[in-house]
Amino acid sequence: DIQMTQSPSTLSASIGDRVTITCRASQSISSWLAWYQQKPGKAPKVLIYKASSLKGGVSSRFSGSGSGTEFTLTIRSLQPDDFATYYCQQYKTYPLTFGGGTKVEIK
Amino acid sequence: QVQLQESGPGLVKPSETLSLTCTVSGGFISSYYWTWIRQSPGKGLEWIGYIYYSGSTNYNPSLKSRVTISVDTSKNQFSLKLTSVTAADTAIYYCAREEYGDYSHLDPWGQGTLVTVSS
Repeated sequence: DIQMTQSPSTLSASIGDRVTITCRASQSISSWLAWYQQKPGKAPKVLIYKASSLKGGVSSRFSGSGSGTEFTLTIRSLQPDDFATYYCQQYKTYPLTFGGGTKVEIK
Repeated sequence: QVQLQESGPGLVKPSETLSLTCTVSGGFISSYYWTWIRQSPGKGLEWIGYIYYSGSTNYNPSLKSRVTISVDTSKNQFSLKLTSVTAADTAIYYCAREEYGDYSHLDPWGQGTLVTVSS
């Protein structure tokens, strides 16, 4: 299985901050990566797929980059609604695997 | 738009079979991979497997010996059976639709259902 490692596991930030979350794959996954946002008690919601393609209806404050084994999710100008846990997920091969999550908290 | 809803018992005894159903509304079960995922504090998000509307399946090797996913296109439902459950199978179970291919992603998801394995 391809292992996905996210860092940091927790991130404290303020409204208006620029936030960057990193996801590393245990082997090259080209650009076959998606990012999800999950709020307490809710299912994950897709933000980005193919590493950098923004899902329709998702705020343009979210952006993704990277290829191969290293990827980043950037949130430009953090808003109150963005405090949540974020997960990366590879889809180069099955089984699909997820990162351990990054919780973005209010500083 | 397409919506998914999980249903099934919230409590299952150890060694018994966990059975869940996902009902798809707002669209038909076709041309996607219909997927089960679970989430537990200990193991995070874990992909269980998918079924294509034709009935072909793909399971996580870690669960393959215990998992069966089936589809009933006439009812617009797909189902999960997990046999010989233990406390380690306690989790929130989600169904989701996978748009496969270059632009693969899981969307939408059901709201999730908590299944507790306990006597």
